Amino acid sequence: EVQLVESGGGLVQPGGSLRLSCAASGFTLSYYWMTWVRQAPGKGLEWVANIKQDGSEKNYVDSVKGRFTISRDNAKNSLYLQMDSLRVEDTAMYYCARYVGAEYWGQGTLVTVSS
Amino acid sequence: DIQMTQSPSSLSASVGDRVTITCRASQGIRNDLGWYQQKPGKAPKRLIYGASNLQSGVPSRFSGSGSGTEFTLTISSLQPEDFATYHCLQYNSYPLSFGGGTKVEIK
Repeated sequence: EVQLVESGGGLVQPGGSLRLSCAASGFTLSYYWMTWVRQAPGKGLEWVANIKQDGSEKNYVDSVKGRFTISRDNAKNSLYLQMDSLRVEDTAMYYCARYVGAEYWGQGTLVTVSS
Repeated sequence: DIQMTQSPSSLSASVGDRVTITCRASQGIRNDLGWYQQKPGKAPKRLIYGASNLQSGVPSRFSGSGSGTEFTLTISSLQPEDFATYHCLQYNSYPLSFGGGTKVEIK
């Protein structure tokens, strides 16, 4: 069974940093592109970033370029999102998903940016 | 960037109704589109990929159609468990983008 479990969310002040993790099980992580999607409270879904199987290609939405970094460790079956220079508008539930087309999703981890 | 316009933003329907939701892309995306169902407090679940392919385990009352710029999700006979918010996602070109969502409510 495919499982994705996010962790690392929490409350952080504007300008701060967080590192989200996504633990994958039930499949071979190295075979798949992986994706981060977020959802601000009461709002729609926003694609954030994705990363190729070997980490050689990464793509980001403009609003996070230069602040967020997606990475992966296939040996540890894990996906990461390093979030720096956080802003109030980054407050959201963050989901990891398998594949470019977001085939399977984790349950999400909540990031709150507030002073 | 490709904008995805989803309509309607909400609808009220009764059990047994046929429901149609539309996503329009600001430029052609071939059939690189998925549909997702999201219930309150839960992660989205993919229903359709490649515009018209049913995800394994998803009931056959769900169907998708379209190509290029106009896409449709149809629920042939709405069931109580189908009351949820539905989203489309284009994965043709970066940045990938979602539609604004359609909330399907009980009439």
